[in-house]
Amino acid sequence: GAVVSQHPSRVICKSGTSVKIECRSLDFQATTMFWYRQFPKQSLMLMATSNEGSKATYEQGVEKDKFLINHASLTLSTLTVTSAHPEDSSFYICGGGQGAFGYTFGSGTRLTVV
Amino acid sequence: LAKTTQPVSMDSYEGQEVNITCSHNNIATNDYITWYQQFPSQGPRFIIQGYKTKVTNEVASLFIPADRKSSTLSLPRVSLSDTAVYYCLVGPAGYSSASKIIFGSGTRLSIRP
Repeated sequence: GAVVSQHPSRVICKSGTSVKIECRSLDFQATTMFWYRQFPKQSLMLMATSNEGSKATYEQGVEKDKFLINHASLTLSTLTVTSAHPEDSSFYICGGGQGAFGYTFGSGTRLTVV
Repeated sequence: LAKTTQPVSMDSYEGQEVNITCSHNNIATNDYITWYQQFPSQGPRFIIQGYKTKVTNEVASLFIPADRKSSTLSLPRVSLSDTAVYYCLVGPAGYSSASKIIFGSGTRLSIRP
């Protein structure tokens, strides 16, 4: 089945630095990837839709300059959290899919900003 | 996108059958119903997808009535490892850039010994 590989699984960074999270589709081509963040005991909140070769579409309230999304190829989408602050600490998840087999999600990235 | 409503939480015991119902009154003609399972600190995992009537795979069954305004995920003989959050999603099966995947609040299932 479709596999999405997400790295790193866990990252700790200092406040003010930037962190990049990679999302790779291993056995399918993902023209679209979705990026979510999830706080403890809450559901996944869609941040943006990443489209290969074009600008990402951000959800209302999500700062595009803070959460930079690049989808330069059909198998790789990246999310960069710029100038991270403690309130950006969260669980970030990417996902994509193809056809009628449902969507596949990465294993998530636990970001802790100290 | 059709909005979905699920119970916030459910409790059951090992060996029991668990049925989680999802309401989606505004489901569109081309929408499919997909269920995902999420364990803590992991991404959601696809369980089952269906359009109408009944679908069964090795882990679950999905029952969809004729009006498709609701669906029921059935987990036979649950074990402790089935403790997770279950999400019901409704949308086109063939995705496009216009097909956002929006998660509802999900159902937190707790299985006890």
